[in-house]
Amino acid sequence: GAGVSQSPRYKVAKRGQDVALRCDPISGHVSLFWYQQALGQGPEFLTYFQNEAQLDKSGLPSDRFFAERPEGSVSTLKIQRTQQEDSAVYLCASSLGPGDNEQFFGPGTRLTVL
Amino acid sequence: SQKIEQNSEALNIQEGKTATLTCNYTNYSPAYLQWYRQDPGRGPVFLLLIRENEKEKRKERLKVTFDTTLKQSLFHITASQPADSATYLCALGSTGTASKLTFGTGTRLQVTL
Repeated sequence: GAGVSQSPRYKVAKRGQDVALRCDPISGHVSLFWYQQALGQGPEFLTYFQNEAQLDKSGLPSDRFFAERPEGSVSTLKIQRTQQEDSAVYLCASSLGPGDNEQFFGPGTRLTVL
Repeated sequence: SQKIEQNSEALNIQEGKTATLTCNYTNYSPAYLQWYRQDPGRGPVFLLLIRENEKEKRKERLKVTFDTTLKQSLFHITASQPADSATYLCALGSTGTASKLTFGTGTRLQVTL
């Protein structure tokens, strides 16, 4: 299908390990978002890209979190020195462009830090 | 700080009835509000958008209202079906470059036969 895909779907990391989560947005979508969703909660905004430019990273919880989208398509969210509180589902979403456009979400990556 | 509240407890209704879900917000002036459906293990799926200058929107069995004075949106599903069982999320957005959404915690709807 032509939806948003994310990999891996599940990731188990030992505390202190680095992880990289990948997002393939819908082709041609300018806007890309990363959200973090804890169990029983709604998604929380992490960061936003417009093409390759990271225009908003106000939601990144610490400097251990880093995101990139170097060619304006695929994006990677990297978490360094993972901690238990990083355990959550990480959702990627894309949309046609800025504004009130609907966001298309991927299935998420469930990260468990032991 | 900004706060978005949705019914935290699950809503159980009988098939065929109308389900009404509530989204209240404080310390926020959204330009628009969106409703999403989320099934277990999946990402949210967009349902409806309503803008600040609109009072009501409809799509098939779905209806959304938006009252910026009360700071509240109501989401209705008429003639509910067991397949409507899911978690429903409201999300607020503002004008500006980011277009990021601020989500509520979601309300779980269970439609029984």
